[in-house]
Amino acid sequence: EVQLVESAGGLVKPGGSLRLSCAASGFTFDNYAMYWVRQAPGKGLEWVSAISSESRYIYYADSVQGRFTISRDNAKTSLYLQMDSLRAEDTAVYYCARRAYSGYEVDYWGQGTLVTVSS
Amino acid sequence: QSALTQPASVSGSPGQSITISCTGTSSDVGGYNYVSWYQQHPGKAPKLMIYDVSNRPSGVSNRFSGSKSGNTASLTISGLQADDEADYYCSSYTSTHILVVFGGGTKLTVL
Repeated sequence: EVQLVESAGGLVKPGGSLRLSCAASGFTFDNYAMYWVRQAPGKGLEWVSAISSESRYIYYADSVQGRFTISRDNAKTSLYLQMDSLRAEDTAVYYCARRAYSGYEVDYWGQGTLVTVSS
Repeated sequence: QSALTQPASVSGSPGQSITISCTGTSSDVGGYNYVSWYQQHPGKAPKLMIYDVSNRPSGVSNRFSGSKSGNTASLTISGLQADDEADYYCSSYTSTHILVVFGGGTKLTVL
């Protein structure tokens, strides 16, 4: 069974940093690209970042470019999102997501973790 | 403002059919067959319903179907059921520098 389990989020002050992790299991992690997708309270889904299976290709949404860093450790079957210079508008549930093997859709989602940026 | 445009809400009665549109550009929806649709119930993670414009993952009811014409993709739900009431999001690959875009979401109400 595919499982994606995000680390706990939390409350962070504006300008602060937080690192999210996602533990993957039930599939061959290093065969799949991975995404982070977020959802602000009461709002829609927003794609945040993507990383290819061997970390060769990395993409970011314009809203987080230069502030967030995606990475992965295939030996630990884990995905990470380092979030720096956090802003109030980064407040959201962050989902770890597996990109389908041959397309660009998400075929599996984590349960999500809430990150709140507030003073 | 989302990159893909969806109606904010649609509604239908049980047994009826509804269609949700998703309009993009030639850089995303119109240029590639990588449109997907997700269903999200309140407080839950999204669920993949359609991928590559019109393909259904295993386990998804054949009441859900997808299509595309030009820069607009559509999700049709036939034989509406109470449990179909949820938010629906489209998504597409984009040839711009960011890779993936989502629509703003459509709230489906089953009357």
